Amino acid sequence: DAKTTQPNSMESNEEEPVHLPCNHSTISGTDYIHWYRQLPSQGPEYVIHGLTSNVNNRMASLAIAEDRKSSTLILHRATLRDAAVYYCIPMGAGAQKLVFGQGTRLTINP
Amino acid sequence: DAGVTQSPTHLIKTRGQHVTLRCSPISGHKSVSWYQQVLGQGPQFIFQYYEKEERGRGNFPDRFSARQFPNYSSELNVNALLLGDSALYLCASSSSSLRYRGFYNEQFFGPGTRLTVL
Repeated sequence: DAKTTQPNSMESNEEEPVHLPCNHSTISGTDYIHWYRQLPSQGPEYVIHGLTSNVNNRMASLAIAEDRKSSTLILHRATLRDAAVYYCIPMGAGAQKLVFGQGTRLTINP
Repeated sequence: DAGVTQSPTHLIKTRGQHVTLRCSPISGHKSVSWYQQVLGQGPQFIFQYYEKEERGRGNFPDRFSARQFPNYSSELNVNALLLGDSALYLCASSSSSLRYRGFYNEQFFGPGTRLTVL
C-alpha cells in the first residue's frame, strides 16, 4: 500500500476555498487516488477519486500533480458542514480494502 | 432510501466476553466490509465479504470472525474481548467488489457500533 502524508490539522473560514494537500510519493502508476471524509460521529463518506487528470464533482475538486506524487482536494466554498477529518487513500488495482491514514482534521470558522 | 444500518449503536462488555455486531447493507449491495476505528486513528480494515464469501482479511487475530447471510447482511463476532478491542466498528457496503472490471465502487459506511470493553 502506498504511504500517504497529510497535515494533521488545518483551519479555514466559512465561504472561503480550502486546499487539502496529500503526498503519496510511493504511488504506483495504476493506483487511483481516493478521498473520503468523516464528519463528527459518523462513518466515512466518499468525496472524490481520480487517476491522472483533475476531477470535479458536486462536493469538491481533485487536482493531481503531473508526477502523481501529490494531490490536493479543493473545497471551493467551505461551509460549517465541511468540518471533518479528510483522508487521502491511494488504491491499487484489485484492492479489496480502503487503507486509512491519520487524515487531516479540518476546522471551519464561522 | 435507507443507508447502511448497524446495530446496536452502543455496547458495553467486560473482558473475556464475546460480542456480535450486525450490519445491513444498502439494498442491492452485495459487498460488506468491516473496519475498526480506535479513538484518534483512521479506520482499520478487518474483513470484506462479497456474495457470502470472504474476499479479504486484515491483520486481526482469530478472535475476530464474520459471516455474510443470503440477504447480504453481515455479522462481526469478537471472542474473548480485550480492553484494546474498545473502538468504533464500522460496516461499509458497496454494489460489487471494490475494484470491479477496473471501475471503482464507492463504499457507503454506516454510523458504526461503539464498543466499550471494561
